[in-house]
This record gives sequence, C-alpha cells and structure tokens, in this order.
Amino acid sequence: AQSVTQPDIHITVSEGASLELRCNYSYGATPYLFWYVQSPGQGLQLLLKYFSGDTLVQGIKGFEAEFKRSQSSFNLRKPSVHWSDAAEYFCAVVGNDMRFGAGTRLTVKP
Amino acid sequence: NAGVMQNPRHLVRRRGQEARLRCSPMKGHSHVYWYRQLPEEGLKFMVYLQKENIIDESGMPKERFSAEFPKEGPSILRIQQVVRGDSAAYFCASSLGTRGNTEAFFGQGTRLTVV
Repeated sequence: AQSVTQPDIHITVSEGASLELRCNYSYGATPYLFWYVQSPGQGLQLLLKYFSGDTLVQGIKGFEAEFKRSQSSFNLRKPSVHWSDAAEYFCAVVGNDMRFGAGTRLTVKP
Repeated sequence: NAGVMQNPRHLVRRRGQEARLRCSPMKGHSHVYWYRQLPEEGLKFMVYLQKENIIDESGMPKERFSAEFPKEGPSILRIQQVVRGDSAAYFCASSLGTRGNTEAFFGQGTRLTVV
C-alpha cells in the first residue's frame, strides 16, 4: 500500500515568516495528493489537492503546494504565516485507499 | 447538504464495556474510512469500507474491533471490551470514490474516553 512521511513533527515559525511543511510519499503510480489542516478539537479541513496537470496547486488560506515527481514530494508552503495558522497539518495520498502522514504541528510565535 | 456526521461527539465507557461509533457519510458517498488519532499522534488508518463491503482492514486491531457499512444506515465502528488504551479520537471520512476527482470529507470525530 502507499505510504506518507512527514519528517517534521513540530515546527515553530514567527508570524509573518515563510513556511514550508514537508511531505514525501511512496506509491507505484501517480498518486492523488492532499493537504489537510486540523485545528484543536476539530475535524480535518481540506487545504488543497493535486490530481494532475500543473504541479503547483493553490489552496485556501493562502497555501500552495508543489508536486515533484522526481523527489516523491508534495511540500506545503505559505509566504507569510498568520497566528491563526497554528494547527496540525496532515499530508495524505490516495492510491488504493487514503493514507495520512503522522502530521506536523505548527506553532506561530508573535 | 449535510456534511459527514459522527455521533456521539464524546463517549465515555468503563473498561470492559462496548463502544459503538456511528458515521453517516455525505449524501451520495459510498466510500467510508475510519481513522484513529491518539493523543499527540497523527491519524492512523483503520479500515476502508464501501457499502456492504470491507475493502481494507489492515489498520484494524485483530481483536475487539469491527466495522460495518450496511446498505442502509450509517457506518458503525464497534469496539468490544474497551481498555484504557482505546481512548482516542476516532474520525470518519467519506468520499465518492478513491480515484477520479474526489476528496475525502471528514466528520468532527468521536472522542472516546475509557475510564
């Protein structure tokens, strides 16, 4: 089955700084890739998704992600982080079914 | 169009009791996933179901856990003889299908506490 790795368990950035969350996947064919965000005590909300076409995808809340087949990566980025972005972020891959990474917790410093 | 509905939102069970978690997928969705999120951990895949079929249960513990998604009604995740280690948030997601232009929509989760 496919798998997803999020190497960073916890990341702290200052408000206004740029952000990159890493995601690497393993799947034999072209996967469908997603990023979700989970606020404390809440369910998951979809930020963006990649199915095909342009490898740079735009999502909600100013997030974007780039699919790099050669690196098996789908890293999430945001140019300027806001305090409200503090949350848990999950990368997911759909192959035979949907699998999630372990998540990256984002803390935003004032 | 209501989203994915999970109930109850919070469930407290004593050790040895049974826990039944319900998930009503979005209208028209026939694929359901269950995930477990332990405190300070990420989402762990448990089981993937389509109507009346278990497609992949490789993430389910071999004992005490079972899941179903009947032709009519919600998907049920059942945990028998609960233990303290079962305390977690259980999330359900539904989708139109695994391939094609689909995405999974999540419920708010059921937080199970075993006392």
